[in-house]
Amino acid sequence: NAGVTQTPKFQVLKTGQSMTLQCAQDMNHEYMSWYRQDPGMGLRLIHYSVGAGITDQGEVPNGYNVSRSTTEDFPLRLLSAAPSQTSVYFCASSYSYLMDGEAFFGQGTRLTVV
Amino acid sequence: AQSVAQPEDQVNVAEGNPLTVKCTYSVSGNPYLFWYVQYPNRGLQFLLKYITGDNLVKGSYGFEAEFNKSQTSFHLKKPSALVSDSALYFCAVRVTNTNAGKSTFGDGTTLTVKP
Repeated sequence: NAGVTQTPKFQVLKTGQSMTLQCAQDMNHEYMSWYRQDPGMGLRLIHYSVGAGITDQGEVPNGYNVSRSTTEDFPLRLLSAAPSQTSVYFCASSYSYLMDGEAFFGQGTRLTVV
Repeated sequence: AQSVAQPEDQVNVAEGNPLTVKCTYSVSGNPYLFWYVQYPNRGLQFLLKYITGDNLVKGSYGFEAEFNKSQTSFHLKKPSALVSDSALYFCAVRVTNTNAGKSTFGDGTTLTVKP
């Protein structure tokens, strides 16, 4: 069981570059989300999706885009990287948007923007 | 708006002693409450959840938590701490209404268990 797989694990970007963080799950989960984790700030929700073709903004969506063309994949795009986007990014999924299920997290992508 | 507070950044306990990691929440409606643990350079792992029913819930690795509606708390507990319990712990809340998908996490509490 692969669970939630994130790639890459580490990335260094220059200011202004764009990139896509990949997230895939093999559990047929409806709900997927992206968080960023910064010291002393817990996890903040960037974007989420309650099913294929449906996405919505979370708490800190600026500078990020998402799409959900399949149930399995939920990529996060950084449009023009900024040093403020240096963070650890986590993708998570749960089986239903009805919200009583726990989340399964990927191992994270550590992004540094210089 | 929903929120979660973990009032202690750090909790230190000796191995074998009981531990408590505190969590309080604020929501409009009935909450779903979760505890997760994060080991260094890893993603979060689910420990336990309260959805409905018995206020005392038991989870993985001997952890338990008590839902207290009047105090809006969901403290994590373990009767006898292990050094291997040392990690970062997060409390999270969702509500059972149309606020689909939006979990709110606390800022985390670092638990250190000393031999």
